[in-house]
Amino acid sequence: AQTVTQSQPEMSVQEAETVTLSCTYDTSENNYYLFWYKQPPSRQMILVIRQEAYKQQNATENRFSVNFQKAAKSFSLKISDSQLGDTAMYFCAFMKRGRGSQGNLIFGKGTKLSVKP
Amino acid sequence: NAGVTQTPKFQVLKTGQSMTLQCAQDMNHEYMSWYRQDPGMGLRLIHYSVGAGITDQGEVPNGYNVSRSTTEDFPLRLLSAAPSQTSVYFCASSLSGGVNTGELFFGEGSRLTVL
Repeated sequence: AQTVTQSQPEMSVQEAETVTLSCTYDTSENNYYLFWYKQPPSRQMILVIRQEAYKQQNATENRFSVNFQKAAKSFSLKISDSQLGDTAMYFCAFMKRGRGSQGNLIFGKGTKLSVKP
Repeated sequence: NAGVTQTPKFQVLKTGQSMTLQCAQDMNHEYMSWYRQDPGMGLRLIHYSVGAGITDQGEVPNGYNVSRSTTEDFPLRLLSAAPSQTSVYFCASSLSGGVNTGELFFGEGSRLTVL
């Protein structure tokens, strides 16, 4: 069974600075997706970034980037130039991919990020 | 675009009462699922469906029933509510099978309190 671990329950960062959220996972699969979802106080789940395991290049989306280390089963999220609107709960998630994939996500327990002015 | 719509947004029940959380999507997604979110636990999969007439259990299915009579709708039923079912519930949908892009589209969540 797959597991996802987020070891930082809470973090804080000053506005305009950079912060990195950690995520490790355990799986015997070779073909999968990894995700970071953001959940602001509005409760809506918002996809931040997605990484396909077969791609060696780290995914980036504007101020958000990941450091994907497949051998180490590590998938950290870096937020550059932090903004007040980045304040949210962040979830790391795993999904098996390919034929037979059910689209089921395995979530970590989340990291609560506070951006301070 | 409506996307994934959940109703109700909030509900308070007494122990033993029954209710149905509604979920509808207008994206013609084959895959739909229900998650529950509890403090410190992340989101956990309750039930999922890969198409009309097909459902299966996730990680925490006990106390919940689902059915999928149409592609659009995937209701979650609590037959006899218990305080342990106090949670926030999310419905999600996506394309499935070989074209699975991995992205799940979530509803806005339904907060359920069982007294």
